[in-house]
Amino acid sequence: EVQLVESGGALVQPGGSLRLSCAASGFTVSTDYMNWVRQAPGKGLQWVSVIYRHGATYYADSVKGRFTISRDDSKNTVMLQMNSLRPEDTAVYYCARDEGGYNFFDSWGQGTLVTVSS
Amino acid sequence: QSVLTQPPSVSGAQGQRVTISCTGTTSNIGAGYDVHWYQHRPGTAPKLLIYSSTDRSSGVPDRFSGSKSGTSASLAITGLQAEDEADYYCQSYDNVLSVVLFGGGTKLTVL
Repeated sequence: EVQLVESGGALVQPGGSLRLSCAASGFTVSTDYMNWVRQAPGKGLQWVSVIYRHGATYYADSVKGRFTISRDDSKNTVMLQMNSLRPEDTAVYYCARDEGGYNFFDSWGQGTLVTVSS
Repeated sequence: QSVLTQPPSVSGAQGQRVTISCTGTTSNIGAGYDVHWYQHRPGTAPKLLIYSSTDRSSGVPDRFSGSKSGTSASLAITGLQAEDEADYYCQSYDNVLSVVLFGGGTKLTVL
């Protein structure tokens, strides 16, 4: 059974940093396209970042230069390093799998809450 | 405002049929990119319902169906049940913005 479990969400001050993790089971993250999607309070879903199976990474303009997605194949885990955090980054962050690179997400985690506030 | 436009809310009585529209542009849905639909209940993980515009994800009842034409797509739900009450999102890809896009979401209320 495919399972994704996010962790690392917390309350952080503006300008601070946070690292989210997504532990996967039931499949190998290095063979799929792994994404982060977020939902701000009262808002809709927003795609944040993707890491391709061959390692290429892409970001939404709103986080480019501040967030970094990476992968630890030995732990079957995907990470999102978030720097220079802003209040508008406050959201539930979901890890989501795109199995075939077809730009849709067949499995999602439960999400982890990031709150950026002083 | 989302590039993919959905009605903020729809409602229907139990047993009835509702449709949720998703309107895009010539750089996303109109460019031939598939539309995918998700169901999201508060506090839970989003769930893939429809992929590639018309294909139901594994385990999704056939009460859910998707269609696409031109720059728009629709999700139809027949035989509404109380458990269908949730937020529904369409999703596609935009070749000008070079990003995955979600619609703004539609809250379905089952009366």
